[in-house]
Amino acid sequence: DTGVSQNPRHKITKRGQNVTFRCDPISEHNRLYWYRQTLGQGPEFLTYFQNEAQLEKSRLLSDRFSAERPKGSFSTLEIQRTEQGDSAMYLCASSTGTGGPGELFFGEGSRLTVL
Amino acid sequence: AQSVTQLGSHVSVSEGALVLLRCNYSSSVPPYLFWYVQYPNQGLQLLLKYTTGATLVKGINGFEAEFKKSETSFHLTKPSAHMSDAAEYFCAVSDDRGAQKLVFGQGTRLTINP
Repeated sequence: DTGVSQNPRHKITKRGQNVTFRCDPISEHNRLYWYRQTLGQGPEFLTYFQNEAQLEKSRLLSDRFSAERPKGSFSTLEIQRTEQGDSAMYLCASSTGTGGPGELFFGEGSRLTVL
Repeated sequence: AQSVTQLGSHVSVSEGALVLLRCNYSSSVPPYLFWYVQYPNQGLQLLLKYTTGATLVKGINGFEAEFKKSETSFHLTKPSAHMSDAAEYFCAVSDDRGAQKLVFGQGTRLTINP
């Protein structure tokens, strides 16, 4: 069990550029979540997948954000036309979906800085 | 809608002293409550949780929390702080039995003084 892996760990980009983050969940976990964490705040839910199906999206997820999990394994989170307000830590978590409530396993996060 | 309020963004205690981190929640249905801990450069990890049953729950590293419905609280305590307890602590609530979606508080940074 290698845990939840996120790449890249850090990304610095200029405003208007597109960025993509990847998350590899724990292999037997069929649920995958994306959260966003800004400085001094707790994580905020963005979206989650059950296998390859995206079942819920937060209103925080504007049209510039898109998440996919094409084969029910790894997931990508793409941000188009980045804005300075997108600067945050993007967290990925996974779970079995059948385990105890709230038992999410988090990755170390991908930090985005938009200049 | 659910919400969580953590009182005190920064708590500092001496090594060996009692640790008390406060959490109050708002939920329209009986909640599930959680404490997560985030050590520097690591992902969040589950410290303990309350779902049903016993209102005093024990977690890892000697931490415990008590669910008090009348006070809508779920405060985290540890009798004797250790230097290794220095971290950011997040209280979270979920009333979504299906999605396991969590609503987090803003976090409390715990500093341990030698």
